[in-house]
Amino acid sequence: KAGVTQTPRYLIKTRGQQVTLSCSPISGHRSVSWYQQTPGQGLQFLFEYFSETQRNKGNFPGRFSGRQFSNSRSEMNVSTLELGDSALYLCASSLVGRGGTEAFFGQGTRLTVV
Amino acid sequence: GESVGLHLPTLSVQEGDNSIINCAYSNSASDYFIWYKQESGKGPQFIIDIRSNMDKRQGQRVTVLLNKTVKHLSLQIAATQPGDSAVYFCAEKGVRRNYGQNFVFGPGTRLSVLP
Repeated sequence: KAGVTQTPRYLIKTRGQQVTLSCSPISGHRSVSWYQQTPGQGLQFLFEYFSETQRNKGNFPGRFSGRQFSNSRSEMNVSTLELGDSALYLCASSLVGRGGTEAFFGQGTRLTVV
Repeated sequence: GESVGLHLPTLSVQEGDNSIINCAYSNSASDYFIWYKQESGKGPQFIIDIRSNMDKRQGQRVTVLLNKTVKHLSLQIAATQPGDSAVYFCAEKGVRRNYGQNFVFGPGTRLSVLP
């Protein structure tokens, strides 16, 4: 069974640009969550999508957005990139809609903003 | 975003010894907890989970203990091996409702296994 797939693995962008990251969950998983990981702030929750609807959102500015498609694949977008957006962006998928089940992570997309 | 700490504690253990990694959580209403292992260049990998109606759960070479009174979680690894070297995170489900997969992660502990 294929795991969570994130593309691309590495990305370099310039300040002010926008970026779109992609996540394909494990087959059958309908919940997809996104996290930002930095050395200073650790792992922080961005948002979660379930059945194409954003169900939860963390404390990030509106420049961070996402969406989920009918096949459960998800994308996140960051507009007007800032240097501080450099991070590892992780996607996690879960089988059921009810909270309290394990989340499986992808390998992440390493975004560097220069 | 939430601040989860700037310093990464490190635990060094001899190969073959038992390891104990600790985690304090903040939300008394959290009802589900997971331990993850993250190796360099990889995403977090699920190790073991526990619900708030339990105080102990065992897996293969790992045991998780939950003390709700003091909001403390620990991960015990028996007979630690070199392959156990990684950063370990505890995560709690941080919303007081049944739905949603938004976890709050601890700062992590780096486990270093000495030969």
